[in-house]
Amino acid sequence: GESVGLHLPTLSVQEGDNSIINCAYSNSASDYFIWYKQESGKGPQFIIDIRSNMDKRQGQRVTVLLNKTVKHLSLQIAATQPGDSAVYFCAENSEGQNFVFGPGTRLSVLP
Amino acid sequence: NAGVTQTPKFQVLKTGQSMTLQCAQDMNHNSMYWYRQDPGMGLRLIYYSASEGTTDKGEVPNGYNVSRLNKREFSLRLESAAPSQTSVYFCASNRGSPYEQYFGPGTRLTVT
Repeated sequence: GESVGLHLPTLSVQEGDNSIINCAYSNSASDYFIWYKQESGKGPQFIIDIRSNMDKRQGQRVTVLLNKTVKHLSLQIAATQPGDSAVYFCAENSEGQNFVFGPGTRLSVLP
Repeated sequence: NAGVTQTPKFQVLKTGQSMTLQCAQDMNHNSMYWYRQDPGMGLRLIYYSASEGTTDKGEVPNGYNVSRLNKREFSLRLESAAPSQTSVYFCASNRGSPYEQYFGPGTRLTVT
């Protein structure tokens, strides 16, 4: 999960392994979720989204899982590459209101 | 398409100085947003504009003003900068909520 504070949680994985990044969201009424990737010194970049009527969605090398029962979202990255090193954060949206963003997890890919 | 552009990339201000951060998008999006990003925290919404001609306060509007100049441009003004406004500022746009937002590269602001 993610924690609020000055230091982001960090996940270190070996190149080629799979990565799983977690996000606990707060609003049970949230019905749309996005995962963003933010590289150092750049703006957030959309990775994948999922609506609450789904529990899984796949993209290219990425899968998002949604568990509404426990208000949990995860991002799985297959065959992690050095270019995947970044901060990943989730965003939740409830009924068309403004997005609420998590603080993020730093993914570090080890050679 | 350039997407979302922001100027300047970096700025240092003294306490009490004013400045305007500029943002433009070329995706014909209706909605535009200003966020600040502080270490270890999620993006926090300062102001947004759901459509041309409208602006609304977000979570942390104090000390800021905005102008939606036209459909493409949305500026953020600091009238009297304070050290607490040291942050990275991001502009974003989308078709409207709840669609994905596209972000600019950010402005890193330091207030001394």
